[in-house]
Amino acid sequence: DVKVTQSSRYLVKRTGEKVFLECVQDMDHENMFWYRQDPGLGLRLIYFSYDVKMKEKGDIPEGYSVSREKKERFSLILESASTNQTSMYLCASSLGPVGNIQYFGAGTRLSVL
Amino acid sequence: GENVGLHLPTLSVQEGDNSIINCAYSNSASDYFIWYKQESGKGPQFIIDIRSNMDKRQGQRVTVLLNKTVKHLSLQIAATQPGDSAVYFCAEEGGSNYKLTFGKGTLLTVNP
Repeated sequence: DVKVTQSSRYLVKRTGEKVFLECVQDMDHENMFWYRQDPGLGLRLIYFSYDVKMKEKGDIPEGYSVSREKKERFSLILESASTNQTSMYLCASSLGPVGNIQYFGAGTRLSVL
Repeated sequence: GENVGLHLPTLSVQEGDNSIINCAYSNSASDYFIWYKQESGKGPQFIIDIRSNMDKRQGQRVTVLLNKTVKHLSLQIAATQPGDSAVYFCAEEGGSNYKLTFGKGTLLTVNP
């Protein structure tokens, strides 16, 4: 069965803190993605990676960075958290280029105070 | 997420009725489409997909219809059950590799 695991369901951080969100998939998928989901705005792509050590900016990369040192793990980093980064963060993975289902994790609800 | 249903179009149906959820997509070059279901507090869950060389695809209790002429996608759920209550959204892929563009979603409420 397909499995995308996000390390935390809920996180509360303070403004200015460095925040790490971790995602692991066990399907040997090439592609991994980070989205944020906000009411009224839907899912917006932050970053994605199509191979180890490769990354590309999505639609809203500002204030975020990512790391993919191993195929199964994709980390989202908030270098200095701000209140406008309070959101639901969703990780996804897919098998390969184009025409493949993206499978999602359960999400991390991040609150920045 | 817990409040992902805010600000969304809503569809309310009676248990046992059929539901039809619509989606207008934006890119005429899109060639792959997916429907997702998202329950409160959970991540999106894959329901069914369809490629642009098809106009209909059926799964268990679900059917997706694709009309490329008017760039319209629909999800039909037969004999809707309370467990079908969720936000449903479509996603399209085309024009650039790897990336899906997601619709805002529709909140389906099933009344017992």
